Amino acid sequence: DQQVKQNSPSLSVQEGRISILNCDYTNSMFDYFLWYKKYPAEGPTFLISISSIKDKNEDGRFTVFLNKSAKHLSLHIVPSQPGDSAVYFCAAKRRRDGGSQGNLIFGKGTKLSVKP
Amino acid sequence: DTGVSQDPRHKITKRGQNVTFRCDPISEHNRLYWYRQTLGQGPEFLTYFQNEAQLEKSRLLSDRFSAERPKGSFSTLEIQRTEQGDSAMYLCASSPQGPSMGYTFGSGTRLTVV
Repeated sequence: DQQVKQNSPSLSVQEGRISILNCDYTNSMFDYFLWYKKYPAEGPTFLISISSIKDKNEDGRFTVFLNKSAKHLSLHIVPSQPGDSAVYFCAAKRRRDGGSQGNLIFGKGTKLSVKP
Repeated sequence: DTGVSQDPRHKITKRGQNVTFRCDPISEHNRLYWYRQTLGQGPEFLTYFQNEAQLEKSRLLSDRFSAERPKGSFSTLEIQRTEQGDSAMYLCASSPQGPSMGYTFGSGTRLTVV
């Protein structure tokens, strides 16, 4: 069963407009969420994260929104730039019994294309 | 520190052969993770170490797979008697200890079993 779901395999956006990437999760024990960006032939690169005690985190052009009741998070990129074209992975982890963190669980990714 | 290093970047091997990959994490990071990624999928967890102790292994890690992290520094992932289904990108990541720490990934080792 897939605990982290990215239902859109691809997204195409015009340069300068907003890109919105969505992610749903099923495990209510997740308490930390992260977004990674991946270029071809490279490993994923950490982009932005959010704790479950918050509903928004902003870093420059990137904002992540968390709706815990809907078990949904989204990544907004504004304005979008051609260099943002990459695969974006949503990931989550949960606090285990005893307080240690579990491992990152990834979605399948969304390929973003930003057209000039 | 140049980040997480993985070697080799690419490996082509014949079915049935053994292969070994190496990962050098960021030196201050005491946690090290191995993930596998196949086409169209996100990275899937294989195993992780805290220092030299292997604390968790995924069901994906069959008995043909073994990972080590002697002395809590670099790590190796060995696959014995490779099968075509083992063809994937093998990613290593490291992180400091702490609840909000993201992982730093290496560039991966692309394994092709022919």
